[in-house]
Amino acid sequence: AQSVAQPEDQVNVAEGNPLTVKCTYSVSGNPYLFWYVQYPNRGLQFLLKYITGDNLVKGSYGFEAEFNKSQTSFHLKKPSALVSDSALYFCAVRDRSETDKLIFGTGTRLQVFP
Amino acid sequence: KAGVTQTPRYLIKTRGQQVTLSCSPISGHRSVSWYQQTPGQGLQFLFEYFSETQRNKGNFPGRFSGRQFSNSRSEMNVSTLELGDSALYLCASSHRAAGTNTGELFFGEGSRLTVL
Repeated sequence: AQSVAQPEDQVNVAEGNPLTVKCTYSVSGNPYLFWYVQYPNRGLQFLLKYITGDNLVKGSYGFEAEFNKSQTSFHLKKPSALVSDSALYFCAVRDRSETDKLIFGTGTRLQVFP
Repeated sequence: KAGVTQTPRYLIKTRGQQVTLSCSPISGHRSVSWYQQTPGQGLQFLFEYFSETQRNKGNFPGRFSGRQFSNSRSEMNVSTLELGDSALYLCASSHRAAGTNTGELFFGEGSRLTVL
């Protein structure tokens, strides 16, 4: 069965510093991986996805993610954090290619301090 | 282009009642799926509909049901509400064609249900 793990409940970073939010996955077959962000009392906003191709994926708001097949990881990164990046981040994997069902990680709360 | 619209945004019910939540997908999207979000269980998949057919169902009791209409709008219903049903219910749509789908889901703002 497909699964994703986000090992950190919370990540704290100072504004202007680089940030990394970790995600590891377990899939059978080709992984379809996604990152979403959730602000308080809001729905999920799509940041980026990896389907195939380049291992470095660029997404919205300056975020990028690196797909590493040997380490089964898909870490979310940003070179310079903003206070406004503070939110809840979810990594997800598509259950099967023919379905929309996503399996989400438990989420990582990112706190960016001024 | 309007996003995914969910109504109502907030509602309060008492145990034993039933509730119906509505979702209007992005225009042109034929696939709609529902998720339940709680602090304890996180994001859990409920159902997935495509062209009025349920394609996938999560591990929830039969009190949870859904449907999709010919205009792709979807509703979900929870009967005999329990305290544990208090959650944020999220609807998502995608531009999914038949077969393999590599697209992302677009989520609505959610319907926050409180059961007293």
